[in-house]
Amino acid sequence: DAEITQSPRHKITETGRQVTLACHQTWNHNNMFWYRQDLGHGLRLIHYSYGVHDTNKGEVSDGYSVSRSNTEDLPLTLESAASSQTSVYFCASSEPDTYGYTFGSGTRLTVV
Amino acid sequence: DAKTTQPPSMDCAEGRAANLPCNHSTISGNEYVYWYRQIHSQGPQYIIHGLKNNETNEMASLIITEDRKSSTLILPHATLRDTAVYYCIALAYSGAGSYQLTFGKGTKLSVIP
Repeated sequence: DAEITQSPRHKITETGRQVTLACHQTWNHNNMFWYRQDLGHGLRLIHYSYGVHDTNKGEVSDGYSVSRSNTEDLPLTLESAASSQTSVYFCASSEPDTYGYTFGSGTRLTVV
Repeated sequence: DAKTTQPPSMDCAEGRAANLPCNHSTISGNEYVYWYRQIHSQGPQYIIHGLKNNETNEMASLIITEDRKSSTLILPHATLRDTAVYYCIALAYSGAGSYQLTFGKGTKLSVIP
């Protein structure tokens, strides 16, 4: 069955380190998204991509970057991790005429 | 995209219908109403969406008022596993197909045994 997987499920890193969170989908969806979720803020869009080599900034993109070299993967990189980036990160994918997004199970990132 | 308003929380007895309201009084003609839910610690899950007609699928029914200013998500026989935060989102579908979901705070539904 097609799926969307995120890795790792949990990660602890130190302030200032570069961190990459993986997102891999086998739905062959063109659209992919990264959200973060914090208490009191709900889900906020970080970056999104509508296809290979396409990337766009979302509401809270500062300190994050993405690249899309193939259809299946949209890795999220924190260039220099900060404590404010401690959060749960969700990846999602969809087709343009989709009945909805499919979300991954999330990555809980702690920056110490 | 139009702003939506939902009650912050609701309770429902197990086995009864759960009716979750959503107000979207400024919705425009090309905006769909989407419903998602998020069970604790999991990624959000798509439930249903509609434009102006009522919709039903295996998970729920969506009732949209004739003026489209409000809608109700109905879970016909709520179970404990339906306890979750439910998000109502108004979203324009461009036809080119690319769009981004914006989540509000949603309604925390608690199904009571």
